[in-house]
Amino acid sequence: GEDVEQSLFLSVREGDSSVINCTYTDSSSTYLYWYKQEPGAGLQLLTYIFSNMDMKQDQRLTVLLNKKDKHLSLRIADTQTGDSAIYFCAEKNNQGGKLIFGQGTELSVKP
Amino acid sequence: GAVVSQHPSWVICKSGTSVKIECRSLDFQATTMFWYRQFPKQSLMLMATSNEGSKATYEQGVEKDKFLINHASLTLSTLTVTSAHPEDSSFYICSANRPGLVWNEQFFGPGTRLTVL
Repeated sequence: GEDVEQSLFLSVREGDSSVINCTYTDSSSTYLYWYKQEPGAGLQLLTYIFSNMDMKQDQRLTVLLNKKDKHLSLRIADTQTGDSAIYFCAEKNNQGGKLIFGQGTELSVKP
Repeated sequence: GAVVSQHPSWVICKSGTSVKIECRSLDFQATTMFWYRQFPKQSLMLMATSNEGSKATYEQGVEKDKFLINHASLTLSTLTVTSAHPEDSSFYICSANRPGLVWNEQFFGPGTRLTVL
């Protein structure tokens, strides 16, 4: 079945780069997403990558996709305290368009 | 951008009562909406897929008689938690698919915190 795995916690210092990793199992996924959730709030789409791409950059965010290993990563450059949140990766299931979420990685940015 | 709202943002109710949560797409029509449940420090678990004009599709293990979903219009889906109990306390989040976008993005509502006493 489908499964998406993430590490649960990451702590970095302000100004450093953060790398959040994710593995997935459904090789037929067409889109992979990164969402950000702040406390008590819904999910905000940060970025997405199409499965035939291996990299996408959007300002401070860089997404790397290794389709062979089914590994997705999100790199946040110059991490700020405002980046502290939970980050979810998700794959889109081709049947019915369901999103399958990872457990979420709690990013803590220390000044 | 596309906006999805939820109402109420939080609700406290007594055990045994029913609670209705609304999910609206404010500036687009959504033929498909999704309902998720999130426990503290955990991921989002899909409960059901709500299709306008037809019955919702429930995920395995979700009781359809307890979590009633109605998607009567292209901009509104409702989730009713019937005879709520403390174990139903959770954060409920809806999302809506905006048709026509290349990347098939789901837009998420801000969530509804349900506390059952």
